[in-house]
Amino acid sequence: SQKIEQNSEALNIQEGKTATLTCNYTNYSPAYLQWYRQDPGRGPVFLLLIRENEKEKRKERLKVTFDTTLKQSLFHITASQPADSATYLCALANTGNQFYFGTGTSLTVIP
Amino acid sequence: KAGVTQTPRYLIKTRGQQVTLSCSPISGHRSVSWYQQTPGQGLQFLFEYFSETQRNKGNFPGRFSGRQFSNSRSEMNVSTLELGDSALYLCASSLAGRGLAPNNEQFFGPGTRLTVL
Repeated sequence: SQKIEQNSEALNIQEGKTATLTCNYTNYSPAYLQWYRQDPGRGPVFLLLIRENEKEKRKERLKVTFDTTLKQSLFHITASQPADSATYLCALANTGNQFYFGTGTSLTVIP
Repeated sequence: KAGVTQTPRYLIKTRGQQVTLSCSPISGHRSVSWYQQTPGQGLQFLFEYFSETQRNKGNFPGRFSGRQFSNSRSEMNVSTLELGDSALYLCASSLAGRGLAPNNEQFFGPGTRLTVL
């Protein structure tokens, strides 16, 4: 069955630095991959989508890369701020709209 | 536009009981998916409904069931509750359409926290 792993459960970085989160998967060929942000007590909020034929996507301070050969996506937050502290989830999907989520990485940005 | 709403927000039940959770999607969204979130397993897909039909199903036992009404509102039912069913149950709605929406973005509700004693 498909397996999705996100790097270390928790990541601490200094304010202003770039945070890099990793999503690795096996036994799956997704049509696209999404990244979500989840704050405590709330449902996940969509951030970015990248399709299998795309290498990189950017949105403001966020950047996502997708390497289907390595079966890996990297999620970058540049110039990180304390307000970026949250849990970040990657989700894989096929065109059938069935999603598989990773367990998430808890990011803490230290002022 | 109002977001996805879920009721109730918190629920305490005992083993063996059954429970029904409700989800109202964003107006115009026809797809509703349900997820179970636990600290150990993360977000796990339960099922997806589209236009009142179950379109996708995850690997959960038959005790977990759902339905969708003509107004796209959805309910999820868990029968014969077990301690391991304690979790945050999240509902998400989207416009999709298999692969049609530009982002196939899912909009999540705040969840129902179910505790089974």
